Amino acid sequence: AQSVAQPEDQVNVAEGNPLTVKCTYSVSGNPYLFWYVQYPNRGLQFLLKYITGDNLVKGSYGFEAEFNKSQTSFHLKKPSALVSDSALYFCAVRDRESGTYKYIFGTGTRLKVLA
Amino acid sequence: NAGVTQTPKFRVLKTGQSMTLLCAQDMNHEYMYWYRQDPGMGLRLIHYSVGEGTTAKGEVPDGYNVSRLKKQNFLLGLESAAPSQTSVYFCASSYSSLGSAEAFFGQGTRLTVV
Repeated sequence: AQSVAQPEDQVNVAEGNPLTVKCTYSVSGNPYLFWYVQYPNRGLQFLLKYITGDNLVKGSYGFEAEFNKSQTSFHLKKPSALVSDSALYFCAVRDRESGTYKYIFGTGTRLKVLA
Repeated sequence: NAGVTQTPKFRVLKTGQSMTLLCAQDMNHEYMYWYRQDPGMGLRLIHYSVGEGTTAKGEVPDGYNVSRLKKQNFLLGLESAAPSQTSVYFCASSYSSLGSAEAFFGQGTRLTVV
């Protein structure tokens, strides 16, 4: 079965420093991977996705993610964190195995950027 | 450009009461999903639909029913609410023909069962 793991419940980073939010996945075949962000009392907003091709994917608000097939990871990164980046981040994989194309989410990582 | 709209945004129910959550999307998406979000558990799939008139069970379907009579609407029903169904419910939709397509989410319904 396909799955996603986010090993950190919370990540703290100082404003201006680089940030990394970790995600590992388990799929058979080539994965479709996604990152979403959730601000308080809001729905999930799409940030970026990996389909195929370049391992470094660029997305919204200056975020990027690095796909690493050998380590089965898809870590979210940003060179310089902003206080406004503080939010809940979800990694997801789309289930291609069953043909249903369900989205399977990790448990989320709370990012706190300190001024 | 409304996207995905959920109604209502908040609701308090007594144990045993019933209610229906409505999800409407204006993007002509084939696929629609209902998730619940609980602290420390991420998003768990309740039911989903791959097209008008079709529904299927997700990871946590017990205590819920769904219907997709029109392509743009996906209804989630609670026949007899229980405190364990206190949660934030999210509806999402996506294209079906493109497996790599991202999902679009509504703003959520915060449900409390007392």
